[in-house]
Amino acid sequence: GENVEQHPSTLSVQEGDSAVIKCTYSDSASNYFPWYKQELGKRPQLIIDIRSNVGEKKDQRIAVTLNKTAKHFSLHITETQPEDSAVYFCAASKKYGNKLVFGAGTILRVKS
Amino acid sequence: DSGVTQTPKHLITATGQRVTLRCSPRSGDLSVYWYQQSLDQGLQFLIQYYNGEERAKGNILERFSAQQFPDLHSELNLSSLELGDSALYFCASSVFSGTGGANYGYTFGSGTRLTVV
Repeated sequence: GENVEQHPSTLSVQEGDSAVIKCTYSDSASNYFPWYKQELGKRPQLIIDIRSNVGEKKDQRIAVTLNKTAKHFSLHITETQPEDSAVYFCAASKKYGNKLVFGAGTILRVKS
Repeated sequence: DSGVTQTPKHLITATGQRVTLRCSPRSGDLSVYWYQQSLDQGLQFLIQYYNGEERAKGNILERFSAQQFPDLHSELNLSSLELGDSALYFCASSVFSGTGGANYGYTFGSGTRLTVV
C-alpha cells in the first residue's frame, strides 16, 4: 500500500530563518499532497496543498514543491515565527480513493 | 469551529469497557474518516465511510467498529478496551464524489481524548 516517509522528525530553527520539511511517497498514482499543521492538543489544520499537475504553490510565507519523477514533495516556510512552532504532517492520496496517508510528522521549534 | 463536530471531547473509562465516539461531518461532506493518534505518534487511518457505506479500511482492530448513518453522522465503537487504546481519536470529513474527480483535503474535528485506566 501507499507509504509516506517524512524527514526530519524534529527541526529547530532560529526565528527569521527558513524551514524545509521533505516527504517521499511510494505510490506513483498519488496525485494530491496536502500539508497539515497540528498544535499541541489541537486538531490538524490544512495549511497548503498541491496537485500533481502543478510543480509549486505558494501562499505568503509557505510554499510547497512537488517532483513527480522523484516522488518527492517539500514544505518551505520562510521568515519563521514562534507561532510556526507545531507538528507538521505531509500526506498523499490517489485520485478517486481520497484516503489520505500521512507521514510520521515533523516537530518544528522556532527559537526566538 | 471547523464544522466537524466530535463528542465527547474527553472520555475516561476502565479496561474491558466499551465506548462510542460520535462525529458529525461538515455540511455537504459525504465522506467521514476516523484516525487514531497515540502519544507522540502520527495519524493512523482506521476506516472511511462514504454516504453510509464503508469505503476503505486501515489498521482497525477487530474490537473496533464503525458506521455511518443516513444523516451522515458516524460512530466509532471501541470494545474490550485496553490501556493501549488510550489515544486521541479524530474524525475528519471531506468532499468526495466517489466516482472520480479531484481529491480535497480533510477537515478535522477537535478529537476525542480517550483515556483507559
